[in-house]
Amino acid sequence: SQQGEEDPQALSIQEGENATMNCSYKTSINNLQWYRQNSGRGLVHLILIRSNEREKHSGRLRVTLDTSKKSSSLLITASRAADTASYFCAPYPIQGAQKLVFGQGTRLTINP
Amino acid sequence: DTEVTQTPKHLVMGMTNKKSLKCEQHMGHRAMYWYKQKAKKPPELMFVYSYEKLSINESVPSRFSPECPNSSLLNLHLHALQPEDSALYLCASSQEGRTEAFFGQGTRLTVV
Repeated sequence: SQQGEEDPQALSIQEGENATMNCSYKTSINNLQWYRQNSGRGLVHLILIRSNEREKHSGRLRVTLDTSKKSSSLLITASRAADTASYFCAPYPIQGAQKLVFGQGTRLTINP
Repeated sequence: DTEVTQTPKHLVMGMTNKKSLKCEQHMGHRAMYWYKQKAKKPPELMFVYSYEKLSINESVPSRFSPECPNSSLLNLHLHALQPEDSALYLCASSQEGRTEAFFGQGTRLTVV
């Protein structure tokens, strides 16, 4: 199937610590995207990494991609309470239906 | 204008009612999407419109009827819904040639 599988399903850390969440997928991808969703609100696009890229940074976010292992990771450094949210990865396929499909997500809680 | 606007924010409807959800974007995006999200679950794709034509229908029941009257507007017409259709309905759009999606804040639908 197209969607990614995020791991862990839930993560609770102290403010200031780093948070790492992982995504595994099965298809060949054009790119992989990460989104954040605060409780009960819309999703916000965080970062897109293309299949020919291995690492990408955006502010406190660092995303890696290993296409040989079909996996990606999202690292949030120096976490803040405002980072509390659900995080979803969305592998975008090279072939087949061009659509964004989301996995179960990682629920991140930052404790003050 | 870099927003996707959804109205209403909340909707309560009876099982015999007919209602519509509205989504609007003025970013010139030519692809628009409807997602349904149940509590503690990921968003599930329902429909994709590309250049105002329905391109993907994820086997959604006919009690949900999408409409794209123009490139800025996407509607979801609802009738004879069931209580299990209660969910957060999210609209999204994406730019031509790009895969990242911009999401609205959603409509929280309750069917009674």
